[in-house]
Amino acid sequence: AQTVTQSQPEMSVQEAETVTLSCTYDTSESDYYLFWYKQPPSRQMILVIRQEAYKQQNATENRFSVNFQKAAKSFSLKISDSQLGDAAMYFCAYRRGRQGGSEKLVFGKGTKLTVNP
Amino acid sequence: DAGVTQSPTHLIKTRGQQVTLRCSPKSGHDTVSWYQQALGQGPQFIFQYYEEEERQRGNFPDRFSGHQFPNYSSELNVNALLLGDSALYLCASSLGLALAKNIQYFGAGTRLSVL
Repeated sequence: AQTVTQSQPEMSVQEAETVTLSCTYDTSESDYYLFWYKQPPSRQMILVIRQEAYKQQNATENRFSVNFQKAAKSFSLKISDSQLGDAAMYFCAYRRGRQGGSEKLVFGKGTKLTVNP
Repeated sequence: DAGVTQSPTHLIKTRGQQVTLRCSPKSGHDTVSWYQQALGQGPQFIFQYYEEEERQRGNFPDRFSGHQFPNYSSELNVNALLLGDSALYLCASSLGLALAKNIQYFGAGTRLSVL
């Protein structure tokens, strides 16, 4: 069974600084996707960024980027120029690729990010 | 474009009762997945519906059941509620089973408290 581990229950960052959230996963599959979701106090999960395992290039979305190390099964999220609105729970998630986009997501336990003004 | 909507927002039940939670998928989506998120934990997959059939199921007892209607909306039913069923229940919708690049969009959830 696939597992996702987030070893940092809480992180904090000063506004405008950079922070990196860690995630490791375990799988025997070769075709899979990795995601970072953000869950603010409003509770709605919002997709931050997605990485296809077959792509060597790290995904970027504006201030958000990932460091995908496939051999090490590591998938960290870097948030640059942190803003107060970035404060939320961040979840790393894994999905097998071969069943398509509706395959179930496997989540880590999350990291609570605090942004200090 | 309406996103994923869930009702009710909050619900309080007592042990042994039954509950029904509802989900309307994002416009154009035909697949609905349900997740349980206990306090301080990540979401756990309960089951998924496509073409009005349960297609995948996580490690949850038969007390958890569901249904999908012809308009793609879905219900999650939990019978014989236990204290441990207290959680945030999230619904996610997506399009089709085989489109690898599709992603799941989440609703804001239903907070269930079992007393």
